[in-house]
Amino acid sequence: AQSVTQLGSHVSVSEGALVLLRCNYSSSVPPYLFWYVQYPNQGLQLLLKYTTGATLVKGINGFEAEFKKSETSFHLTKPSAHMSDAAEYFCGYNFNKFYFGSGTKLNVKP
Amino acid sequence: DAGITQSPRHKVTETGTPVTLRCHQTENHRYMYWYRQDPGHGLRLIHYSYGVKDTDKGEVSDGYSVSRSKTEDFLLTLESATSSQTSVYFCAISESGGATGELFFGEGSRLTVL
Repeated sequence: AQSVTQLGSHVSVSEGALVLLRCNYSSSVPPYLFWYVQYPNQGLQLLLKYTTGATLVKGINGFEAEFKKSETSFHLTKPSAHMSDAAEYFCGYNFNKFYFGSGTKLNVKP
Repeated sequence: DAGITQSPRHKVTETGTPVTLRCHQTENHRYMYWYRQDPGHGLRLIHYSYGVKDTDKGEVSDGYSVSRSKTEDFLLTLESATSSQTSVYFCAISESGGATGELFFGEGSRLTVL
């Protein structure tokens, strides 16, 4: 079945440290991948998306993700975590309908 | 922010009662979606609409029905609520349902079924 898998339901980093949130997709998933972020008690908002073209995608708030077909991965990174990055992050794909992974909660320690 | 309003934002009801959640948009977007969010499951699609009176099922549609009589309104009905339907429900809209589309979310409706 088509799916995305987010490795790690909870990730904790120190402020200023690298953020790496992992997302792998099944090979049958069409290459229309995205990351959304959900702040507490809010709906989700788009961080970035990959459709075609450059495989390194830059998003809002300093986040970026690289589409790696050979590894079937679309990991989300940010060089330096900020307290305001604490949220839940969802990887997913879009093929007429939008499908989401199970989410990764990011905790940022002072 | 996209103009999406969900109502009610919070509801507590009893098993067996009918419940209707409303999603209202002011963006004139063609596509509208209902998701439920549960810990460990991310967001799962319940139903979606690709136009007035055009709806289709998502991955967890059992026990839910929808209606869309106007572009701006998308109603989600639980005919007879069960405790397993306790969840946070999100409405989302998209101008394009294709690969380049983007979802805009409402703020959610928290439903508790006792």
